[in-house]
Formats: sequence, structure tokens, C-alpha cells
Amino acid sequence: SQTIHQWPATLVQPVGSPLSLECTVEGTSNPNLYWYRQAAGRGLQLLFYSVGIGQISSEVPQNLSASRPQDRQFILSSKKLLLSDSGFYLCAWRLAGGPNNEQFFGPGTRLTVL
Amino acid sequence: AQSVTQPDIHITVSEGASLELRCNYSYGATPYLFWYVQSPGQGLQLLLKYFSGDTLVQGIKGFEAEFKRSQSSFNLRKPSVHWSDAAEYFCAVVPLDNFNKFYFGSGTKLNVKP
Repeated sequence: SQTIHQWPATLVQPVGSPLSLECTVEGTSNPNLYWYRQAAGRGLQLLFYSVGIGQISSEVPQNLSASRPQDRQFILSSKKLLLSDSGFYLCAWRLAGGPNNEQFFGPGTRLTVL
Repeated sequence: AQSVTQPDIHITVSEGASLELRCNYSYGATPYLFWYVQSPGQGLQLLLKYFSGDTLVQGIKGFEAEFKRSQSSFNLRKPSVHWSDAAEYFCAVVPLDNFNKFYFGSGTKLNVKP
């Protein structure tokens, strides 16, 4: 069966520090991968998605970046965090193809920028 | 541009009572429509989805949703709420031309009174 992991589960970082959040998927090959951010009291905002190694689509311009160095690894990074980067970050995967393929979400990372 | 509106931020119902959560969308055509549930501090779980055909769709945990084209709505219902249904519920739309772009509403937080 497929599983999705995110770490760390929680993170407290000072403003201006770098960020690296990792997401890995097991039990499937060539998944589409997604990063979402959920700010307090708001819905999920799609940040990035990837349909293959090295292929990144950015949905919202910001000081975040994403990379996919391996088929089942998706990394969210920042060189300098802002206060507004605080939130709950969710990684998701789905099989490529039509919308009938469900998105499966990871447990999330709670990021607090102080 | 696509948008999803969930007009109710919080809803409180008594256990055993019926439930309806509202979702309205804005899109040029009928998009693909989804409802997800999120327990506190967790990722999202798919409840149900609509692509075409019968406008009343059944999901997991006894939930159903009805698509109304004339109202651009996709409201979620449950005849009898259980205490374990307390969670946050998100409506999402996916445009027909890019199955990777999920647009989520801001969510409705459901409280269940004993």
C-alpha cells in the first residue's frame, strides 16, 4: 500500500532563517506531487506541483521554492523565512491521469516563524 | 478565474441532527467537484467527488452531496450527525483543463453538541 511521509511534524524558525521540508511517498511510482499551505482560518492554497523529476510548476509567487530530486521525494525550501510563511504545510500525491485519481494527503508540517 | 466559496465558517449542530454545508463555485464550465474532511492537525481525507452524471453523489461516512448547476453549488449533507463528524470540511474544484490545480474553499468548521 502507498504511504506518504512528511517531516518534520512541527518546526519553529526565526525570521530570515532557511527552510527545508521534506515529503516522500512509498508504494507507487511516478506520482504527481503537491505542496499546499494552510494559513490560520484559511483554506488550502496550492503552492507547487510536480509531474516528474525536476519538473516544478509554481502557482503562487513567493519566497518559497520546490524541488523534486527523486521520483518520490518532494522538497519545499526557502532561503529566508518571513513571518507570513507560518502555517500548516501539506504534501499530497496522486497518480497521473484524470481527476478520478484521488489526491492523498500527508500528515502535514506545522511551521511557526517567529 | 476559479473560486470556491464556503459561506459558513463555523457550524454547530446537535448529535443526531441533520447537516448541510454549503459550497458555491465560480467557473466557466462545470468543474470537477470534491469534498474533503480534515481532523485537527491532520491531513485531508476525500469524502466524495462529482465529475458528471447523477447529480446526487454518495460518499464515505454517510455523507452525500448534490450538484446544482443552476446555482453553481455542491452542498454536502448528512441525515444524522455523529460526534465523530466534528472536523473541518473543505470543498474543492478542479478545472477541466488541468487536473493538477485543486482550488479549495476556506473551510467550514463543524462542532457537534452532545
